[in-house]
Amino acid sequence: DAGITQSPRYKITETGRQVTLMCHQTWSHSYMFWYRQDLGHGLRLIYYSAAADITDKGEVPDGYVVSRSKTENFPLTLESATRSQTSVYFCASRGQNSNQPQHFGDGTRLSIL
Amino acid sequence: AQSVTQPDIHITVSEGASLELRCNYSYGATPYLFWYVQSPGQGLQLLLKYFSGDTLVQGIKGFEAEFKRSQSSFNLRKPSVHWSDAAEYFCAVGDTGFQKLVFGTGTRLLVSP
Repeated sequence: DAGITQSPRYKITETGRQVTLMCHQTWSHSYMFWYRQDLGHGLRLIYYSAAADITDKGEVPDGYVVSRSKTENFPLTLESATRSQTSVYFCASRGQNSNQPQHFGDGTRLSIL
Repeated sequence: AQSVTQPDIHITVSEGASLELRCNYSYGATPYLFWYVQSPGQGLQLLLKYFSGDTLVQGIKGFEAEFKRSQSSFNLRKPSVHWSDAAEYFCAVGDTGFQKLVFGTGTRLLVSP
């Protein structure tokens, strides 16, 4: 089935380690997004991408790196994880037109000890 | 920059009763408005969206929302709540330029027997 999948669903790691969260979509959507969800903050945009090789910062980009070499994949890397990055991370994708809704993956719950 | 306020953190409704979840937005032009629902451990699912035209928008699962420009509001309603509606609900506003979404902090709906 077409859709958007995130992996892993759960991850526990230690401070200072590098961790990469994967996101894959099968719709060939132009736009992809990474959000983090924290209690009391709703969803906050980390990074987004308008197309392959085009990425830009969102509201809370510090400590994160993204890449988009292929349209369907949009990995998010924490280069040196900190406890403040413990969160639930959601990937979303959307078609070219700005009036199209974003479609979300099921999330990755990341715990940093 | 756009912003969204959901003033109610929690709401409890009896099964079969009507529901209204409040959403107020701040945006200089006509916004794109969305309501999403999130069940535990799941991603966000689109309930409905408003772009233009009729200010009363119908969505899935029997939900509707009304756009009121004079009040900068986009409240979500359902005439009769079912136990399966218990979830967290997010209002979001998108700009008509790039199309980033800004989310409210969410309202958790509890349904009592």
